[in-house]
Amino acid sequence: QVQLVESGGGVVQPGRSVRLSCAASGFTDFGKHGMHWVRQAPGKGLEWVTYIWFDGRDEDYIDSVKGRFTISRDNSRNTLYLQMNSLRVEDTAIYYCARYIEDNIGGRFDYWGQGTLVTVSS
Amino acid sequence: EIVLTQSPGTLSLSPGERATLSCRASQSVSSRNLTWYQQKPGQSPSLLIYATSSRATGIPDRFSGSGSGTDFTLTISRLEPEDFAVYYCQHFGNSPFTFGQGTKLEIK
Repeated sequence: QVQLVESGGGVVQPGRSVRLSCAASGFTDFGKHGMHWVRQAPGKGLEWVTYIWFDGRDEDYIDSVKGRFTISRDNSRNTLYLQMNSLRVEDTAIYYCARYIEDNIGGRFDYWGQGTLVTVSS
Repeated sequence: EIVLTQSPGTLSLSPGERATLSCRASQSVSSRNLTWYQQKPGQSPSLLIYATSSRATGIPDRFSGSGSGTDFTLTISRLEPEDFAVYYCQHFGNSPFTFGQGTKLEIK
């Protein structure tokens, strides 16, 4: 079965960096799917953060993380990454990776990881 | 940026009742680009409805979606105990692919 497993979260001081990973398994065409990161601050709603195209040639970010976060992927390792630099207290959240799929009907996130918590605190 | 506004913020109903959740977009969204997710406490979100009205695999037919343009609706015809959760709409038009703020469906 499809699994997305995030790792790399923890407690980090403001201004420091952390790299999240999302290991995909249970499907053979990881390199054919766009992948996204979505975050959820404690007790709050979902916030879309960033995406990367299936081949890595296109990506975008919400304004609040542009210039600080970088999404990347290694299709040979079936792994998605999120490099988070210059972290702020307001970046504290559970970070989910999600697989995007699109067909002739429409697009959607059909699988989500369990999330990894990043706490930015001094 | 497309802003999605969900209403009500909280909906208090009893099992067996009908639930109607609204998602209003700040600009027109293609019907193929509007999705709904369900999130239960302590769990990741899960896909309910995509392309406005297509149920995801395994979603019972008491869940239905409708709408067009800027107004979209998720309807749960007869609430089961497991349906009490938070529901989010999201669009896949132009980036950023924003979510609504969520509607919490709670037991009355």
